[in-house]
Amino acid sequence: NAGVMQNPRHLVRRRGQEARLRCSPMKGHSHVYWYRQLPEEGLKFMVYLQKENIIDESGMPKERFSAEFPKEGPSILRIQQVVRGDSAAYFCASSQVAKMRGGFPGANVLTFGAGSRLTVL
Amino acid sequence: DAKTTQPNSMESNEEEPVHLPCNHSTISGTDYIHWYRQLPSQGPEYVIHGLTSNVNNRMASLAIAEDRKSSTLILHRATLRDAAVYYCILRGEYGNKLVFGAGTILRVKS
Repeated sequence: NAGVMQNPRHLVRRRGQEARLRCSPMKGHSHVYWYRQLPEEGLKFMVYLQKENIIDESGMPKERFSAEFPKEGPSILRIQQVVRGDSAAYFCASSQVAKMRGGFPGANVLTFGAGSRLTVL
Repeated sequence: DAKTTQPNSMESNEEEPVHLPCNHSTISGTDYIHWYRQLPSQGPEYVIHGLTSNVNNRMASLAIAEDRKSSTLILHRATLRDAAVYYCILRGEYGNKLVFGAGTILRVKS
């Protein structure tokens, strides 16, 4: 039962190129989250998606960043025209909605991938 | 989501218990208390969560104060592999994103 799979694990890009990071959620999970961790800093939420829908993108930079989670295939985090400041570890997590009393999903657990480390030269 | 407060760092000796505190005085009735940890160069890892009652699993125990304004993560016997950043996070009724704070850096001495 594979966990959350992220690829590539390491990606090197030159300034101005595009970076595409992929995330395959755990089997049975329909929710995907992307986080970014800059060197020596904390984890910052970027975006939360369900299949074919962006639910919360409040942490996404306004330009150059986009995310999708299509009906088939992995979730993709796309960074266009990368700059040195984009160098970071990008973590994906997945979850399913917990069936708790009252329908509150506050108990459901996120499973994280090992991350994709982007280096921009 | 309500805010949590944790010490910046703690130190423990190997094979001894560790009690990691977390204050969450503004917790609401539907907030779950979650703990995650991040080992060096790895992704975050779920540790434990609870609502009102104390919880135990193979990794740790979670002790929740009666008024729910604080909780303590207990590692019963710390090992060198437990050295990590530990995050205490409240997850509300809409339960979508986890908001990570600075966490507590746990150092384990041999």
